[in-house]
Amino acid sequence: KNEVEQSPQNLTAQEGEFITINCSYSVGISALHWLQQHPGGGIVSLFMLSSGKKKHGRLIATINIQEKHSSLHITASHPRDSAVYICATRSNYKLTFGKGTLLTVNP
Amino acid sequence: DTEVTQTPKHLVMGMTNKKSLKCEQHMGHRAMYWYKQKAKKPPELMFVYSYEKLSINESVPSRFSPECPNSSLLNLHLHALQPEDSALYLCASSQEGGPNTYEQYFGPGTRLTVT
Repeated sequence: KNEVEQSPQNLTAQEGEFITINCSYSVGISALHWLQQHPGGGIVSLFMLSSGKKKHGRLIATINIQEKHSSLHITASHPRDSAVYICATRSNYKLTFGKGTLLTVNP
Repeated sequence: DTEVTQTPKHLVMGMTNKKSLKCEQHMGHRAMYWYKQKAKKPPELMFVYSYEKLSINESVPSRFSPECPNSSLLNLHLHALQPEDSALYLCASSQEGGPNTYEQYFGPGTRLTVT
């Protein structure tokens, strides 16, 4: 059974800081997703990764398949980045979700 | 258009009511999903439709009844729900639902309260 662990569970940062959220998983996967969810809101897909690194604006996601580990980085963080960030691994049809990281960015 | 829409946004229903949640996508995706999300928990998969056929039912109680009338539309019919069924119900779609890796696009969810 795949276990998806995220760290930290909660993260508070000052505006402008560089943020890193980590995700580790226990079995081989076909892809890893980083998702964003604002309180009470729906989910937005940020990245889907099978290998290497992807960048979109101030967000960067990396994955190391051998080490079964992924990181999400936010550069120059902003209060509007405050949300829950969820790592989810995909195996066949199914996504296995981590418990999420609650990020609060203070002005 | 990379949008998945869900209606209604909020729904309050009694335990004897019958209601339906609706999900729509116009991306030509052939797989659609229903998830249930309780507060401060990750989403839990309920159903997967692939090419308009139910391919996965994650042992969901029969008071939840999914329907896929066409490739763009997914419904979730609700009947005789319990208060513990109150949650955010999320719909998602992807290009296909098989072992290939396709990104899932999520809708904004329907916040359901059962009284």
